[in-house]
Amino acid sequence: QSVLTQPPSVSGAPGQRVTISCTGASSNIGAGYDVYWYQQLPGTAPKLLIYANINRPSGVPDRFSGSKSGTSASLAITGLQAEDEADYYCQSYDLSLSGWVFGGGTKLTVL
Amino acid sequence: QVTLRESGPALVKPTQTLTLTCTFSGFSLSTSGMCVSWIRQPPGKALEWLALIDWDDDKYYNTSLKTRLTISKDTSKNQVVLTVTNMDPLDTATYYCARGKGGDCSASDYWGQGTLVTVSS
Repeated sequence: QSVLTQPPSVSGAPGQRVTISCTGASSNIGAGYDVYWYQQLPGTAPKLLIYANINRPSGVPDRFSGSKSGTSASLAITGLQAEDEADYYCQSYDLSLSGWVFGGGTKLTVL
Repeated sequence: QVTLRESGPALVKPTQTLTLTCTFSGFSLSTSGMCVSWIRQPPGKALEWLALIDWDDDKYYNTSLKTRLTISKDTSKNQVVLTVTNMDPLDTATYYCARGKGGDCSASDYWGQGTLVTVSS
């Protein structure tokens, strides 16, 4: 079991909006540590999608947005496109583990 | 242009020690705020953070693997090395190195392509 909990899968039709949740605890997200999101296309290395909860690196479309509240965070994808089909991972720092932790990953299927 | 590349053996036997090298370019690990992490991913499974080293030579380890991991850097060669002792078939995974975004080591903004390590006798 991962320290950060994500739904195993989500799906949506092209053009729709989907959200992926990331639930943590008082030792990580709830302690105020930032959340990061990565996109991993099949057979490739992960790509940084969102950093410090809400920020997009240069080149990431504004269809991707992040939010954080309490012990949870969410990634929202609007205007879903076929190319968005990938695995998505959240990451944060955990105080009790004194290290970084990832969620279990969410597979996004574009119907 | 920032690039990272992992290198090391593709196959190791159980109980052996794995040594992986991350060779990078486009940044310096002697620059304040810079860091490099190692992350692995077993086939079909989730990412797992392993270790991080920063510009000040501070080192951080996954607590569940801490006794088996050692991370080090050679700034002159632009390399970061990870050793994993007592390898087990459960350590079979793709191993990635990644750069921490300047001033925010939590944000891995550039990744290597990864190297698949299989543990088998």
